[in-house]
Amino acid sequence: AQKITQTQPGMFVQEKEAVTLDCTYDTSDQSYGLFWYKQPSSGEMIFLIYQGSYDEQNATEGRYSLNFQKARKSANLVISASQLGDSAMYFCAMREEYYGNNRLAFGKGNQVVVIP
Amino acid sequence: ETGVTQSPTHLIKTRGQQVTLRCSSQSGHNTVSWYQQALGQGPQFIFQYYREEENGRGNFPPRFSGLQFPNYSSELNVNALELNDSALYLCASSSPPSEKETQYFGPGTRLLVL
Repeated sequence: AQKITQTQPGMFVQEKEAVTLDCTYDTSDQSYGLFWYKQPSSGEMIFLIYQGSYDEQNATEGRYSLNFQKARKSANLVISASQLGDSAMYFCAMREEYYGNNRLAFGKGNQVVVIP
Repeated sequence: ETGVTQSPTHLIKTRGQQVTLRCSSQSGHNTVSWYQQALGQGPQFIFQYYREEENGRGNFPPRFSGLQFPNYSSELNVNALELNDSALYLCASSSPPSEKETQYFGPGTRLLVL
């Protein structure tokens, strides 16, 4: 069963505007971590932000923030003040935190193109 | 840059051949994971190594095997290559628990099987 769902089609965003990327997840565990990664056309996966299931505050890292709604099992990424360099694929991933497990389950990604 | 390096960057093989991909983890990271990313998909977990022992495996056949060395670098070996093994192979090393065991990825190896 798919653990991470990212269903938005490719998005065009005007430079300097904010964009929200949707991510819903499926787990029966109480302890888990949620991650967002950026993958430019070069292929490298770049870590952006982390949210733990027990974190009370939404995570923020510079222009990135995570809108975490635990009851709805959603972890949307918000990129503020978009820049041309933000054009990339964005992947949501989950790590179910049981002993000895550190594997990430990824969604299929969201394509973002920032236009001047 | 993450400090995770992978070699080679690109590779072309023919069906039935064997391939070895290499990964050097970020300094201080003793856990390495390997992922396969087919075109248009998210990465899929292959396996993970912790202190030279396999520490979890995804849904991949035994012809996918790996090693981790005392310096925490790692290899992914794939035997009897099939056409659908063509993909981007990503290696990631994990930060310590104090840093949320975040996985930092290398640039990947693009494998094409003809």
